[in-house]
Amino acid sequence: AQSVTQLGSHVSVSEGALVLLRCNYSSSVPPYLFWYVQYPNQGLQLLLKYTTGATLVKGINGFEAEFKKSETSFHLTKPSAHMSDAAEYFCAVSERGNNRLAFGKGNQVVVIP
Amino acid sequence: GAVVSQHPSRVICKSGTSVKIECRSLDFQATTMFWYRQFPKQSLMLMATSNEGSKATYEQGVEKDKFLINHASLTLSTLTVTSAHPEDSSFYICSARQGSTGELFFGEGSRLTVL
Repeated sequence: AQSVTQLGSHVSVSEGALVLLRCNYSSSVPPYLFWYVQYPNQGLQLLLKYTTGATLVKGINGFEAEFKKSETSFHLTKPSAHMSDAAEYFCAVSERGNNRLAFGKGNQVVVIP
Repeated sequence: GAVVSQHPSRVICKSGTSVKIECRSLDFQATTMFWYRQFPKQSLMLMATSNEGSKATYEQGVEKDKFLINHASLTLSTLTVTSAHPEDSSFYICSARQGSTGELFFGEGSRLTVL
């Protein structure tokens, strides 16, 4: 069974500073990895995903994540935080092709002006 | 992008009653839909996988007689919480798999409060 660990429920970052959200996964088979963002009273929106190929994945809104098999990690970064990045972010893992996602607990990102 | 709509977004009911939550894919056909439950400050927990025209597959520990799932068409899946109790209060989220691309799209979620 797959699982995801996201540490630190709340993450505060200054506007313009680096955003770094950590995600470590556990999977017995090669995983598919995802980052989702959830704004208040809205559904989850896919930021980016890793399936196969290039391990550095670029997503929407300037976010990117790197799959590191040796570290079982898929950390999310954005070079410069914007006020509109304030939201909840979820990392998720699935076995290849089955769409059954296992989510982490999420990180609530607060952007400080 | 594709849109998945849940209704109602919020519902309050009395203990012992049943509540139905709908999940609709508005502009695509969804061969598979998933139902998740989210507790406060916790991650989304997969409850069941719903396939059009067949019985839902429930995750371990999820009571299928408590959480009835119907996927009668390629655009609609429903979750009925039967004989609801306060501990069933939660945020329920659905996702729909677009048949042509395999991509997942999530609904806005439905917050259930059982008094």
